[in-house]
Amino acid sequence: ETGVTQTPRHLVMGMTNKKSLKCEQHLGHNAMYWYKQSAKKPLELMFVYNFKEQTENNSVPSRFSPECPNSSHLFLHLHTLQPEDSALYLCASSRNQETSGGLYEQFFGPGTRLTVL
Amino acid sequence: GNSVTQMEGPVTLSEEAFLTINCTYTATGYPSLFWYVQYPGEGLQLLLKATKADDKGSNKGFEATYRKETTSFHLEKGSVQVSDSAVYFCALRNNDMRFGAGTRLTIKP
Repeated sequence: ETGVTQTPRHLVMGMTNKKSLKCEQHLGHNAMYWYKQSAKKPLELMFVYNFKEQTENNSVPSRFSPECPNSSHLFLHLHTLQPEDSALYLCASSRNQETSGGLYEQFFGPGTRLTVL
Repeated sequence: GNSVTQMEGPVTLSEEAFLTINCTYTATGYPSLFWYVQYPGEGLQLLLKATKADDKGSNKGFEATYRKETTSFHLEKGSVQVSDSAVYFCALRNNDMRFGAGTRLTIKP
């Protein structure tokens, strides 16, 4: 299997549930990203990991908790979400930001469509 | 700071029409520039890229030229097809990644 995969593709959860989104990349990259895509809003970068270390957190509420156990896997743990958190959550990967001078493109997964009731 | 501004949509064209989607950017230094496409129900796919001034990126009949003097990276296609209907995002990378708001394109038969 190649590229960036995400599971599940669709998720419906209540505000009191706890769930996790999974992302896996098979491209040998060392940087991974979580984005939120809401209707009629620009793509929002949430978290960045470089070599398993979190290097960026764009003021994301604590009800979103990322985890990066290795360079190929990235999780987003969800708990006590709000209806306004309903969106498409996209995972991406790229070559290491530092050594590449930050100029390489990101490769995206298909996303998880999340609905919070 | 770095930012991308692209043409607001939605854009509706007839099949075989000429397409232009405008994109301008603000950045320090020499960013790389990209166009991504998102088909319904899918994630973003890289369409083309250019890494230095005057480079032309091309793929699937789409082209864009990195114009440093006008800080632009407009997307063009000479003859669009129904299958080109999607949302198109202009983006730049200059240490971090910045995306435009996206332009929804609909092609009618």
